[in-house]
Amino acid sequence: EPEVTQTPSHQVTQMGQEVILRCVPISNHLYFYWYRQILGQKVEFLVSFYNNEISEKSEIFDDQFSVERPDGSNFTLKIRSTKLEDSAMYFCASSDARSDNTEAFFGQGTRLTVV
Amino acid sequence: SQQGEEDPQALSIQEGENATMNCSYKTSINNLQWYRQNSGRGLVHLILIRSNEREKHSGRLRVTLDTSKKSSSLLITASRAADTASYFCATDISGGYQKVTFGTGTKLQVIP
Repeated sequence: EPEVTQTPSHQVTQMGQEVILRCVPISNHLYFYWYRQILGQKVEFLVSFYNNEISEKSEIFDDQFSVERPDGSNFTLKIRSTKLEDSAMYFCASSDARSDNTEAFFGQGTRLTVV
Repeated sequence: SQQGEEDPQALSIQEGENATMNCSYKTSINNLQWYRQNSGRGLVHLILIRSNEREKHSGRLRVTLDTSKKSSSLLITASRAADTASYFCATDISGGYQKVTFGTGTKLQVIP
């Protein structure tokens, strides 16, 4: 069964460092998303991406964040200068909204710890 | 105000019993989805119900949607210990971009 894969599963970084979280969406999907979940809190939408550009982003997704689809398979989230409050689980998702079914498939997440 | 709020926040039942979780939301939606999250793991999509549907079944899951009350319920019948997880409702108001807004979740514990 196709699945969304994320790497690494856990990343520890020092405050102020740049991190890149990687995702491989399901191959025939066209819509890609990043969400985050701070420990003990709800899952929050960060950004959606379609046709090589951001289609929507939340207020959380400020200038520190960027997304990229550098090739035909990867979808990355970059945090330029990490802060302690960026520590969270980051989920990538993809969907094939060409069909009537807008179900999103989520990866297992990357746990980012900023120290 | 929260777009999706589940209740109860926590639910503990015996294996074999049914579990019912409710979700309320604030704005009009295109669809509502239920997800499961095992502790520290990813989100697993369970079921999607569109705004023009009232009830949907998938295996032991039954979801209802009442758009007039802006509420949904998830029923898990004949629960198993493996159903222990957090359950979230997520509403899609964006019309296709999957900007779903998650609720705060119900933590279900099924005691063997």
